Amino acid sequence: RKEVEQDPGPFNVPEGATVAFNCTYSNSASQSFFWYRQDCRKEPKLLMSVYSSGNEDGRFTAQLNRASQYISLLIRDSKLSDSATYLCVVNPRGTGRRALTFGSGTRLQVQP
Amino acid sequence: DAGVIQSPRHEVTEMGQEVTLRCKPISGHDYLFWYRQTMMRGLELLIYFNNNVPIDDSGMPEDRFSAKMPNASFSTLKIQPSEPRDSAVYFCASSLPLGTSPDTQYFGPGTRLTVL
Repeated sequence: RKEVEQDPGPFNVPEGATVAFNCTYSNSASQSFFWYRQDCRKEPKLLMSVYSSGNEDGRFTAQLNRASQYISLLIRDSKLSDSATYLCVVNPRGTGRRALTFGSGTRLQVQP
Repeated sequence: DAGVIQSPRHEVTEMGQEVTLRCKPISGHDYLFWYRQTMMRGLELLIYFNNNVPIDDSGMPEDRFSAKMPNASFSTLKIQPSEPRDSAVYFCASSLPLGTSPDTQYFGPGTRLTVL
């Protein structure tokens, strides 16, 4: 079983739609969680951290469910510029170690 | 401020040749990571350093791969001899010391390696 699993998509949605991605992780000791965004042929960039209480950044909302070991990302009012691959990222070793494990990514295509 | 710098951006070589990839982390970052990304396997951590010391190299695929960090501002990833299955995008990333920020890693633009 992979440490971090994501639906690869693609998710094809019209502009203005709301779309949600989920990801599951296998190590219950994981402490840190993130969503990174990767544009085609570019490097990954941090989109947002995911906190236990859930957090929001503009149109983006991240949720963490420790009991079920899954993380979600909700994008409201999708823009064409949101088209990218979204990587679910976990620190599986808890604090004190900075090695991250990346999911394979979920591809989003927002269409006009 | 300059981000993580990698060179070369593209490398095409023939099987059996030695390949050296270079990385300059962001100044003040004391963690440096090397990743490999392929369509089949996604983004894989190869090795990471803290204060120039290798901490975890369990992701290095085999003895053909080696990495060094001679000082805080420079690291290399070497493949010798290279094979076609090494074709991938190799990313270098860096992050701040523990206790000063979350685990945010800043990635360089990557080196796209093609081994013929």
